[in-house]
Amino acid sequence: QLVESGGGSVQPGGSRRLSCGASGFEFDNFEMNWVRQAPGKGLEWISYISSSGNTIYYADSVKGRFTISRDNAKNSLYLQMNSLRAEDTALYFCARSPKGGHSYYPWGQGTLVTVSS
Amino acid sequence: DIQMTQSPSSVSASVGDRVTITCRASQDIRKWVAWYQQKPGKAPKLLIFAASNLQSGVSSRFSGSGSGTDFTLTISSLQPEDFATYYCQQANSFPITFGQGTRLEIK
Repeated sequence: QLVESGGGSVQPGGSRRLSCGASGFEFDNFEMNWVRQAPGKGLEWISYISSSGNTIYYADSVKGRFTISRDNAKNSLYLQMNSLRAEDTALYFCARSPKGGHSYYPWGQGTLVTVSS
Repeated sequence: DIQMTQSPSSVSASVGDRVTITCRASQDIRKWVAWYQQKPGKAPKLLIFAASNLQSGVSSRFSGSGSGTDFTLTISSLQPEDFATYYCQQANSFPITFGQGTRLEIK
């Protein structure tokens, strides 16, 4: 099971840190991802982190502004979001992927981030 | 980046119908496609991985096929709970990309 938290309203240019707590599986055996969905829009992958945390990728839309990290001792995944823009308004999901694979199961329920003045 | 183009963008069908959704990749992605179902207000649900592998617990009404650049998701006999939005995703290389979605509506 994956449970996101940390969403809320933030002003443009502000910061927010999302968390994703994992349970029911060996967290350090799996890769993790963040995927977002703007209101009424499709799915957008935004970041990946390997099981050890040594390999990280970002979508161009968030590179340099967002930072993914994980704490395997706490079974937790994080997304630090800085310099937020109106277009970052979305429901943010964390999702698990197997080592070497990139299909996502399970997903968390999502946490909503609204960027508005 | 690999573009994933889904068609149709929406389809109307009746319970019991057979429906096929297609996804075309902008370059060869071998078998690395996944399909998801999403209902309003819910997280996506993995249906198919590696083009044709049925995720555990998913109804056998769902099947996937294809390789290279052309992929299909077929629902063999629509049930009321199947009306949702479906997304393909390329799992071949970063950045991971999704199709724009296909909305399956009740006729």
